[in-house]
Amino acid sequence: QSVLTQPPSASGTPGQRVTISCSGNSSNIGSNYVYWHQQLPGTAPKLLIYANNQRPSGVPDRFSGSKSGTSASLAISGLRSEDEADYYCAAWDDTLSAVVFGGGTKLTVL
Amino acid sequence: QVQLQESGPGLVKPSETLSLTCTVSGGSVNSGANYWSWIRQPPGKGLEWIAYIYPTGRTDYNPSLRGRVTISLDTSKSQFSLKMTSVTAADTAVYYCARDVGGNGWFDPWGQGTLVTVSS
Repeated sequence: QSVLTQPPSASGTPGQRVTISCSGNSSNIGSNYVYWHQQLPGTAPKLLIYANNQRPSGVPDRFSGSKSGTSASLAISGLRSEDEADYYCAAWDDTLSAVVFGGGTKLTVL
Repeated sequence: QVQLQESGPGLVKPSETLSLTCTVSGGSVNSGANYWSWIRQPPGKGLEWIAYIYPTGRTDYNPSLRGRVTISLDTSKSQFSLKMTSVTAADTAVYYCARDVGGNGWFDPWGQGTLVTVSS
């Protein structure tokens, strides 16, 4: 059971916009930044979004992050086949004194 | 740019100690607000943060693993290490090392990961 809650799966067709949610509480998302990591099949995760909504250089602007209260979302617009991957949200938890992850969302491009 | 590479045995017997090392290249382990973390992923499952260490020696551990895990840093070798005692099959996973900018989940970059199997 992960501290942050994500839907296990999401899907969309090429060109569509999809969103992936990440729900937490006041000890984690509610009081700290949210990070998103993308894991392509068979590879190590890679940072996708930092500090709620910032993109590292090299990450396409099709990817965007947002946060409101104790929830966060990752949006992918103009969906492409190469976006098929697992997506994880992460945040610091003040109560646990630990980094906590969501369980991951497997995105399928139909 | 900074790169990380994990190394260590791929097979550990139950009840023994798992030992892994992460070598950092392209940058100093002493620079900036960088923490150095270990994260693991059991086969077919999600990510679990294990621990981090800051160059001052400050450490923090996942509460579920505290007591079995020790993280250490060797600045002279630009390496940090993980020791996990009394391992069981449940500790079988791909173990990743990563730089954590600020110590709060900003993992960038990640190492490629190393699979550790616990089996007799």
